[in-house]
Amino acid sequence: ILNVEQSPQSLHVQEGDSTNFTCSFPSSNFYALHWYRWETAKSPEALFVMTLNGDEKKKGRISATLNTKEGYSYLYIKGSQPEDSATYLCASPASGYSTLTFGKGTMLLVSP
Amino acid sequence: DAGITQSPRYKITETGRQVTLMCHQTWSHSYMFWYRQDLGHGLRLIYYSAAADITDKGEVPDGYVVSRSKTENFPLTLESATRSQTSVYFCASGGSGSWGDTQYFGPGTRLTVL
Repeated sequence: ILNVEQSPQSLHVQEGDSTNFTCSFPSSNFYALHWYRWETAKSPEALFVMTLNGDEKKKGRISATLNTKEGYSYLYIKGSQPEDSATYLCASPASGYSTLTFGKGTMLLVSP
Repeated sequence: DAGITQSPRYKITETGRQVTLMCHQTWSHSYMFWYRQDLGHGLRLIYYSAAADITDKGEVPDGYVVSRSKTENFPLTLESATRSQTSVYFCASGGSGSWGDTQYFGPGTRLTVL
């Protein structure tokens, strides 16, 4: 079983703060890294899929970077808003197939 | 409507009873997945299916049975429910099997086993 770890486990910031959190994964046999956003009482929704070392993806105020050589990805949120409050999951396939191993997530709370 | 649906959304049952959770998707995705979400564990894969009549175990398959006679449906059965199977269950579907395929999640079923 692939070991995907996320830190911190939870984060509480004020509106307007920028924040970032980390996903770590084994650097050997890397295929892809997925980021999902999971709002309370809803289902996870895909944010990004990243495959190449040095990849950087952006969606509005959210961006992510990927370092496959050292086995980590950062997710950044610029100018956090209360609607950004959610759990952010990362996941990686254990092999070249569609099954994903998810990290336990980083729970972000943005206070007005 | 296109998408992925799960039923029931909430279910309370008793230990030892058989329970079936339904999942239906309209995208014609080849792959479908069942996860359970538990505090402290995140999402864990129970079973997945690559196509009709092809299923395989995930990380936590014990106590569960799946079938996939049609591409669009992927029911999950708890043959004899136990309290440890109290959880939120998510069904997902996604693409053709590439490691880059996004998975699309259903709304979840909250199951309580008394």
